[in-house]
Amino acid sequence: DAGVTQSPTHLIKTRGQQVTLRCSPKSGHDTVSWYQQALGQGPQFIFQYYEEEERQRGNFPDRFSGHQFPNYSSELNVNALLLGDSALYLCASSLLSFRAATQYFGPGTRLTVL
Amino acid sequence: KQEVTQIPAALSVPEGENLVLNCSFTDSAIYNLQWFRQDPGKGLTSLLLIQSSQREQTSGRLNASLDKSSGRSTLYIAASQPGDSATYLCAVWLGNTDKLIFGTGTRLQVFP
Repeated sequence: DAGVTQSPTHLIKTRGQQVTLRCSPKSGHDTVSWYQQALGQGPQFIFQYYEEEERQRGNFPDRFSGHQFPNYSSELNVNALLLGDSALYLCASSLLSFRAATQYFGPGTRLTVL
Repeated sequence: KQEVTQIPAALSVPEGENLVLNCSFTDSAIYNLQWFRQDPGKGLTSLLLIQSSQREQTSGRLNASLDKSSGRSTLYIAASQPGDSATYLCAVWLGNTDKLIFGTGTRLQVFP
């Protein structure tokens, strides 16, 4: 059983560019959450997707947007990249019906903005 | 606003020691609390999940306790090994939202 997978592993972009990160949830899971983890910090919640809709959003600007597909996989898009967007982006999956159950995290995508 | 604090920020111990990592949170209306392990540059691995109605959970050499009234949780690691070296993060799940609030972590190094 494959766990949560993310692609790409690493990404280097320049300021002002746009980036798309991808996540496939653990088999059987229907909910995907995205987190941003700056160096030396704990992960910060970006948003959560369920049934192809954004259910909740953290304190992130509209430059951060997402999408969930019918197969439950998800994308995170960041427009007009800033140096401060450099971070590890983590995807977590769960079953919404088991609210507050264990979240399973992927290995992350390391984004560097130059 | 829920805030999660972890003490100490870093810890270096010789192999074989028993150790305690601390986590405190400001809002006791949590749904559950989870402890995670993160190896450098990697994703998070869930270690233990404690429901708000529980007081502790155990898995192998790990034991986590939860005291909601005082806003504290501890992670006890028995007989530490070099392979335990990693950053340990605690996170609380708020009762009225569907998201985890993380602490900044404790970076643990166990040397032979």
